[in-house]
Amino acid sequence: GDSVTQMEGPVTLSEEAFLTINCTYTATGYPSLFWYVQYPGEGLQLLLKATKADDKGSNKGFEATYRKETTSFHLEKGSVQVSDSAVYFCALSSGGSQGNLIFGKGTKLSVKP
Amino acid sequence: DAGITQSPRHKVTETGTPVTLRCHQTENHRYMYWYRQDPGHGLRLIHYSYGVKDTDKGEVSDGYSVSRSKTEDFLLTLESATSSQTSVYFCATKTGGQTNTGELFFGEGSRLTVL
Repeated sequence: GDSVTQMEGPVTLSEEAFLTINCTYTATGYPSLFWYVQYPGEGLQLLLKATKADDKGSNKGFEATYRKETTSFHLEKGSVQVSDSAVYFCALSSGGSQGNLIFGKGTKLSVKP
Repeated sequence: DAGITQSPRHKVTETGTPVTLRCHQTENHRYMYWYRQDPGHGLRLIHYSYGVKDTDKGEVSDGYSVSRSKTEDFLLTLESATSSQTSVYFCATKTGGQTNTGELFFGEGSRLTVL
């Protein structure tokens, strides 16, 4: 079945460092891909998404490109801030009658001043 | 903000007792989902609903039941709670039809501890 694999954390960076969180997927068909962010004590919020191959999603300085050839959707940010500390989830849409999202296990990011 | 509220937000109960978690949405979204979040597992789908009285099982449905008698409410019931059901539970919703972008909107979660 469909699945998402993302790099294990935790990831600890200094402020203004470059961030990459790897995400690869296995899916039949052509799913939409998402990155969600969860701040401490809160629910998940959509960070960005891409609906077809070569699409680039971007928001708040974060970017991810839908790479069909490598089945990847890596999250990047050029300069992280302390406020970016959170758990990041990669997800794909399962399609079909469920229409739910299948999530990776999450990567916890801590940014130190 | 899809206006999703979960109740209770925190609950401690004992093994063998019944527990009901409520999800209420104000956006008239067609689809509603219950996930559980556990360390090392990410989010896993328990049950989902694709309309009033229309529900189906997800990946980890054993020990859980759901009901949806109104568009705005989706209830998750643990008939006899076990310690393995200690978790954080998230409700999510999604629009249907042509406005559907695939995005899920999440509530703030309900932390359940079963002693």
